[in-house]
Amino acid sequence: EIVLTQSPATLSLSPGERATLSCRASQSVSRYLAWYQQKPGQAPRLLIYDASSRATGIPARFSGSGSGTDFTLTISSLEPEDFALYYCQQRDNWPITFGGGTKVEIK
Amino acid sequence: EVQLVESGGGLVQPGGSLRLSCAASGFTFNNYAMNWVRQAPGKGLEWVSTISGSGDRTYYADSVKGRLTISRDNFKSTLYLQMNSLRAEDTAMYFCAKDLPYSSGLDFWGQGTLVTVSS
Repeated sequence: EIVLTQSPATLSLSPGERATLSCRASQSVSRYLAWYQQKPGQAPRLLIYDASSRATGIPARFSGSGSGTDFTLTISSLEPEDFALYYCQQRDNWPITFGGGTKVEIK
Repeated sequence: EVQLVESGGGLVQPGGSLRLSCAASGFTFNNYAMNWVRQAPGKGLEWVSTISGSGDRTYYADSVKGRLTISRDNFKSTLYLQMNSLRAEDTAMYFCAKDLPYSSGLDFWGQGTLVTVSS
């Protein structure tokens, strides 16, 4: 099973700042990595798929990069609605696995 | 507009059974693989199972293999999860999610249905 490790666990930032979230895989997942945003009481929302492709309707301030074992989700300038939980997920090998999540909170 | 609406959750005793449903609309259901993903209270996301568009291929997490069964009725545009021999650790919100084809992503999710396993 491929283990995804997200860091940091919590990111404390102010609106307008840049957020950089990391996801590291225990073995290569090529570019088969996705990122999701989840707010309390809501279902996850797909942000990025295949490492760097933005999902439909996702603002350009969200970007993804990386390949192999190291991936990054960047939010270029945090909006108030971006404070949430973020998960990475791989689909290179069964089983599909998720990272433990990074909480982006208001500083 | 794509819609996924889960139902069938509730309180069940350990060892009991439950069948979850996910009614899909707004897309050609049989063209897409579908998934169940769960989230225990206050915890992260855990993939449970995937079924191909035709229903001929299924995949399961080791934690549920032999106890949970995914299926679909393409005529009714409905996804199912039959849950048997339930354990306390199966307590979670269960989400159905649609595949984004030929990619890593799950692009539409339902709002979830809560399963509580407790005596």
